[in-house]
Amino acid sequence: GAVVSQHPSRVICKSGTSVKIECRSLDFQATTMFWYRQFPKQSLMLMATSNEGSKATYEQGVEKDKFLINHASLTLSTLTVTSAHPEDSSFYICSARDLGGGYTGELFFGEGSRLTVL
Amino acid sequence: AQSVTQLDSHVSVSEGTPVLLRCNYSSSYSPSLFWYVQHPNKGLQLLLKYTSAATLVKGINGFEAEFKKSETSFHLTKPSAHMSDAAEYFCVVSDQNFNKFYFGSGTKLNVKP
Repeated sequence: GAVVSQHPSRVICKSGTSVKIECRSLDFQATTMFWYRQFPKQSLMLMATSNEGSKATYEQGVEKDKFLINHASLTLSTLTVTSAHPEDSSFYICSARDLGGGYTGELFFGEGSRLTVL
Repeated sequence: AQSVTQLDSHVSVSEGTPVLLRCNYSSSYSPSLFWYVQHPNKGLQLLLKYTSAATLVKGINGFEAEFKKSETSFHLTKPSAHMSDAAEYFCVVSDQNFNKFYFGSGTKLNVKP
């Protein structure tokens, strides 16, 4: 199946700093990527849909100025958590769809990024 | 609107015994349904998917699921649990164009030796 690489897998930062998380599709082009946040022992919460070459679409309640998403190429989307605070500590996961021939809808997920804000 | 309900937050089985993880969906049209597995601190891996073909879907690692329209269910089963199956499992339904995916709350599977 298609491979999605997410980096870094773990990051610890001080409160007030910004952190960038990268999501790359390694063997396919992803015009759309999805960013999720997962709280402990909970399901995935869709934060935003990242579209190549255009602005991301944010879900209700997600601060777009807080969580900056850039999808500059067909294989890379980035999520920047700006002025991070301890309540932003979470597990962030990206996913992408491979719209190549034979596409049947599944999402391919990155390995996730554990953000800890001190 | 689409939604997914996973009826059990935790399921515990003994190694070698059958696994049943329940999922019911709500959809205003013929849905596409997926089961994903997540091991601790990892991303999600696709187990299997239903996209309007055969109602009994076979996936990886011996898992299968049956789409039952009359019961609006898509339960995940495995004849014999293995210790490595211990993980969190998510049932997912998508909209018609695969633009939005709706996740169930997850079921944590514990496998006892």
